Amino acid sequence: DIQMTQSPSSLSASVGDRVTITCRASQSISTFVSWYQQKPGQAPKFLIHTASTLQSGVPSRFSGAGSGTDFTLSITGLQPEDFATYYCQQSYSTPYTFAQGTKLEIK
Amino acid sequence: QLQLQESGPRLVKPSETLSLTCTVSGDSISSSNYYWGWIRQSPGKGLEWIGSFFYSGNTYYSPSLKSRLTISGDTSKNQFSLRLTSVTAADTAVYYCARHLLQYPRYFDTWGQGTLVTVSS
Repeated sequence: DIQMTQSPSSLSASVGDRVTITCRASQSISTFVSWYQQKPGQAPKFLIHTASTLQSGVPSRFSGAGSGTDFTLSITGLQPEDFATYYCQQSYSTPYTFAQGTKLEIK
Repeated sequence: QLQLQESGPRLVKPSETLSLTCTVSGDSISSSNYYWGWIRQSPGKGLEWIGSFFYSGNTYYSPSLKSRLTISGDTSKNQFSLRLTSVTAADTAVYYCARHLLQYPRYFDTWGQGTLVTVSS
């Protein structure tokens, strides 16, 4: 199985800040990484696919980058609604695997 | 607008079978472009892909669950189902159904709201 590891596991930031979350795959997965946002009591919401392509309707303050084994999710100009937990997931091969998540909290 | 809704018993006894159904509206599970999958989330293991179903009957499962797992579909009702046998407390989780592309990049673009299933006597 391909292991996905995110860092940090938690992050405190203020409204307006820029934050970056890192995701690393245990082997090369090209750009087959997706990012999801999850708020308490809700299902994950799909944000980004193929490492950097924003899903329709996702604000442009979100961006993704990377290829191979190292990927990032950045949020520029944090808004109150962005405080949530973020997950990366690989779809390069089955079993599809998710990282453990990064909880973004208000400072 | 695509919507997925999980349904099924919320409490299952150890060693028994967990059965859930996902009802799809706004798309057909007979679509040639998508797989229909199950994902679960438990505090101890995070998000875990369980398996996926294609309308032709093709399925693929997580190796860790394969021996206990069946995913099937009913195109007449536009539903697909999960059946997990011999459950233990480790199977307690929120279970989500979700859609993903048949072809790469195979992201899960739409999820159900999830249903918490507790395994307990």
